[in-house]
Amino acid sequence: AQSVTQLGSHVSVSEGALVLLRCNYSSSVPPYLFWYVQYPNQGLQLLLKYTTGATLVKGINGFEAEFKKSETSFHLTKPSAHMSDAAEYFCAVQTGANNLFFGTGTRLTVIP
Amino acid sequence: NAGVTQTPKFRILKIGQSMTLQCTQDMNHNYMYWYRQDPGMGLKLIYYSVGAGITDKGEVPNGYNVSRSTTEDFPLRLELAAPSQTSVYFCASSYYLSPDTQYFGPGTRLTVL
Repeated sequence: AQSVTQLGSHVSVSEGALVLLRCNYSSSVPPYLFWYVQYPNQGLQLLLKYTTGATLVKGINGFEAEFKKSETSFHLTKPSAHMSDAAEYFCAVQTGANNLFFGTGTRLTVIP
Repeated sequence: NAGVTQTPKFRILKIGQSMTLQCTQDMNHNYMYWYRQDPGMGLKLIYYSVGAGITDKGEVPNGYNVSRSTTEDFPLRLELAAPSQTSVYFCASSYYLSPDTQYFGPGTRLTVL
């Protein structure tokens, strides 16, 4: 069975500081991994995804994530937080043909 | 392109009432999905469809029904609303199956009292 654990339901960073959102997964087969962002009162939007190949994945808005198989992790980072990054972030894993398993989300607050 | 649209945005139902949540996509996507998002939780898959006339259950299908008569539309039906169905419902679509990007609608916030 697959599952996703996001450490920290709330993360606060100062504007300009490093953003680090943690995601660990469990999967019996090589996974596909995703990060989605949800702005208030909106649907989810894909930030980035890992399928195969290069383990460092770059996404939109300056975010990137690194797939570390030995640590079963897929942490999301951004070097410098911007006020517009305030949102909820969801990590998801997909191993079967059609089912995305989502973590419980991390709400990012950016302090001016 | 409007992308994925959902109606209504908000709805309050009484226990035992029925309603249909509408979802339409204009991207000619083959695959469509319904998720529910409970407070403090991730999204859970209710039903999905791989094309017109073909649907299948996801993780939490009980209490819901779907149909897919056209490529564009994928309505979700609640027959006998229960308080446990209070949630935010998201429709999504993708052109290919996994691991293609899923595009989400803005959601329908449903309260059952």
